[in-house]
Amino acid sequence: EPEVTQTPSHQVTQMGQEVILRCVPISNHLYFYWYRQILGQKVEFLVSFYNNEISEKSEIFDDQFSVERPDGSNFTLKIRSTKLEDSAMYFCASSERGQGGTEAFFGQGTRLTVV
Amino acid sequence: AQRVTQPEKLLSVFKGAPVELKCNYSYSGSPELFWYVQYSRQRLQLLLRHISRESIKGFTADLNKGETSFHLKKPFAQEEDSAMYYCALSGASGNQFYFGTGTSLTVIP
Repeated sequence: EPEVTQTPSHQVTQMGQEVILRCVPISNHLYFYWYRQILGQKVEFLVSFYNNEISEKSEIFDDQFSVERPDGSNFTLKIRSTKLEDSAMYFCASSERGQGGTEAFFGQGTRLTVV
Repeated sequence: AQRVTQPEKLLSVFKGAPVELKCNYSYSGSPELFWYVQYSRQRLQLLLRHISRESIKGFTADLNKGETSFHLKKPFAQEEDSAMYYCALSGASGNQFYFGTGTSLTVIP
């Protein structure tokens, strides 16, 4: 069964450093998402991406964040200058289409620890 | 504003007992509602969605627009049902999913 894969599974970085979280969505999916989950809190939407551009983003997704689909398979989340409060589990997801009722398939997550 | 509320953070039931995980939502439109489940050390995965009206692993959920609820139910809980359950809402555009805070279900043998 096809699945969304994320690398690395765990990333430790120093405050102020840049990190890139990688995701390979399911191949025939057109909509891509990043979510994060701070320990003990709910899963929060960061950004959705369609047709090579951001279609929606939350207030969390400020200028330190960016997303890119550098080739036909990868979907990356870059955090430019990490802060302690960026420590969280980051989930990538993809869906076949963006209409309501569409299932989103999630990756296993990348645990980011900023020290 | 879109919002999903799961009032119970923790829920424990005995094996064989009925279980109900509550979910209420607020949305100014026609939402699509989902239940996602996360078993220990596994990824979030779809359990069921209201649009398909199906029963998965014995779980059902009915969208009650009058009460703006989408409670998840199972008549007889099993130990393997122990997991984190998230109620989620998707708007008409489907560009994002709004998640509740999750309910951790423990089924006691």
